[in-house]
Amino acid sequence: DAGVIQSPRHEVTEMGQEVTLRCKPISGHNSLFWYRQTMMRGLELLIYFNNNVPIDDSGMPEDRFSAKMPNASFSTLKIQPSEPRDSAVYFCASAKTGYGYTFGSGTRLTVV
Amino acid sequence: GQQLNQSPQSMFIQEGEDVSMNCTSSSIFNTWLWYKQDPGEGPVLLIALYKAGELTSNGRLTAQFGITRKDSFLNISASIPSDVGIYFCAGQFGYIFGTGTRLKVLA
Repeated sequence: DAGVIQSPRHEVTEMGQEVTLRCKPISGHNSLFWYRQTMMRGLELLIYFNNNVPIDDSGMPEDRFSAKMPNASFSTLKIQPSEPRDSAVYFCASAKTGYGYTFGSGTRLTVV
Repeated sequence: GQQLNQSPQSMFIQEGEDVSMNCTSSSIFNTWLWYKQDPGEGPVLLIALYKAGELTSNGRLTAQFGITRKDSFLNISASIPSDVGIYFCAGQFGYIFGTGTRLKVLA
């Protein structure tokens, strides 16, 4: 079991640029979650998918953020255009319904 | 978004001591989870609780699902240096995360 795989591990980009974060969930897991972690706000759920369908995106901060899950083995979180306040660690997690989540190692995003 | 209140926020303890931390919510939860996060990594699930009053152990860790379903407790016995990290509670399978307890163990 390779776990939840996120890429890249680190991303530094200039304000205004588009950023795409990627996630490969654990095979057989039917739920996928995107979180953002900052010192000020802790861990915040941004969006979650069940069986590839977005169920709740109420945590997505604004329209600059979008997430897709085209199939059961891949998801992306896109920020366009990026802003310095988007700097954070973004985690992807996956789960089988009714079980705790398994997190990836995260992507540390820095927007300068 | 909504967060769970954890206490203490941080604690320094001596190696070998027992540790207790708790998590409270204004809402009733059907599940409580406890995670540990090491620097530069994602949270790792330690214990999952599924019903009120449940007491579950995982090695030196013991967690309880409060009877009111609005709180949960985590105890670590005989702490060791590798227990250092941030401990998070989470409600509803991880939909809502606590503010974290930062644990530092002094050898």
